[in-house]
Amino acid sequence: QVQLVQSGAEVKKPGASVKVSCKASGYTFSIYFMHWVRQAPGERLEWMGWLNPGNGNTKFSQNFQGRVTLTRDTSATTAYMELTSLTSEDTAVYYCARGSGTSWFDLWGQGTLVSVSS
Amino acid sequence: QSALTQPASVSGSPGQSITISCTGTSSDVGAYNYVSWYQQNPGKAPKLLIYEVSNRPSGVPDRFSGSKSGNTASLTISGLQAEDEADYYCTSRTTIVTYVFGTGTKVTVL
Repeated sequence: QVQLVQSGAEVKKPGASVKVSCKASGYTFSIYFMHWVRQAPGERLEWMGWLNPGNGNTKFSQNFQGRVTLTRDTSATTAYMELTSLTSEDTAVYYCARGSGTSWFDLWGQGTLVSVSS
Repeated sequence: QSALTQPASVSGSPGQSITISCTGTSSDVGAYNYVSWYQQNPGKAPKLLIYEVSNRPSGVPDRFSGSKSGNTASLTISGLQAEDEADYYCTSRTTIVTYVFGTGTKVTVL
């Protein structure tokens, strides 16, 4: 069935990096943008960036510019989000979301909790 | 990019109608009809309710409707039901092809 399945929870130390995966199935991976959205505990959703799986092009929120990398493995139909120089403020649930049409997110992963603590 | 502004909370009794506003700028909400709305229940991923201002995906009840005027979009829930108690977020694509979410609104059914 059509779904996005993300990797499991991570615990990291400040200054470390984390890489979260998002496995797509049930649709043509390369023709839908993949977005990444995060939500700190009790806070709002925050858009991080998008990846065009067809050509690897990316675009980021200026809040994450220089700290986030979005990549994909088209043969594995999997997208990846890597965030570096982690601080406690990066503790959040990270979601991948399929971009559809002009501007909406119609399919979401289950979320991956990343906890940053010394 | 600043978050779109939503009221922190809105409440209503079962059967009533409520409206959630989402105010941005001419660089996001006001630029195109690229506003969408999401419902999020505790501990769950968001669910798409409305896309391109006023379109409902299949499976979303018609008591959910959307509109826009200028830099402000709105989500109306008519005939409020207990199951509508959740957090609601708007989002808009911007003129530089980034996205911005709203501050979020907690809907309480009295």
